Amino acid sequence: EAGVTQFPSHSVIEKGQTVTLRCDPISGHDNLYWYRRVMGKEIKFLLHFVKESKQDESGMPNNRFLAERTGGTYSTLKVQPAELEDSGVYFCASSAHRATNEKLFFGSGTQLSVL
Amino acid sequence: GESVGLHLPTLSVQEGDNSIINCAYSNSASDYFIWYKQESGKGPQFIIDIRSNMDKRQGQRVTVLLNKTVKHLSLQIAATQPGDSAVYFCAENSHSGAGSYQLTFGKGTKLSVIP
Repeated sequence: EAGVTQFPSHSVIEKGQTVTLRCDPISGHDNLYWYRRVMGKEIKFLLHFVKESKQDESGMPNNRFLAERTGGTYSTLKVQPAELEDSGVYFCASSAHRATNEKLFFGSGTQLSVL
Repeated sequence: GESVGLHLPTLSVQEGDNSIINCAYSNSASDYFIWYKQESGKGPQFIIDIRSNMDKRQGQRVTVLLNKTVKHLSLQIAATQPGDSAVYFCAENSHSGAGSYQLTFGKGTKLSVIP
């Protein structure tokens, strides 16, 4: 069974440009999460999809970030325009159910560098 | 705000010795905790979890201890092996109030195993 896959693994862009990250969850997982870790900080929650609906987007830092999950399968996270402080590792995770003790399966992440 | 943090950023142990990684949390309402292992170039990988109604849980070579009185969590790895070298994160799974569960991560401890 394929795990959570993310693309690209690395992205280097200039400040002001746009970048789109993609996440393919484990097949059949309705719950999809985005997290990110900026340099020297903890991994932080960004948002949670249940199928194609945004269940919780309280962690999105500002309106330069747009997440979508059309069709309830893969998800994209677009940063437009990118700023220097957006540099970090963006992780996607998925789970089959939404429960307090539900295990999350993480992808390998996208390393984003904004120059 | 409430947070989960780690006492030690780095830990070096001799191969075959036991490792202990500590974590403090501040949200007394937390009822579920997870330890993740992150190897270079990979995403966080589930190791072991524990609910707040327990104070100890054992897995294969790993044990998690929970002390709710002092809000402290620890991960013990027996007979540490070179393959255990990684960054270890504790995380608290809490209800976000938006019908979602969020993981709150600590900063991470880097474990280096000396052959």
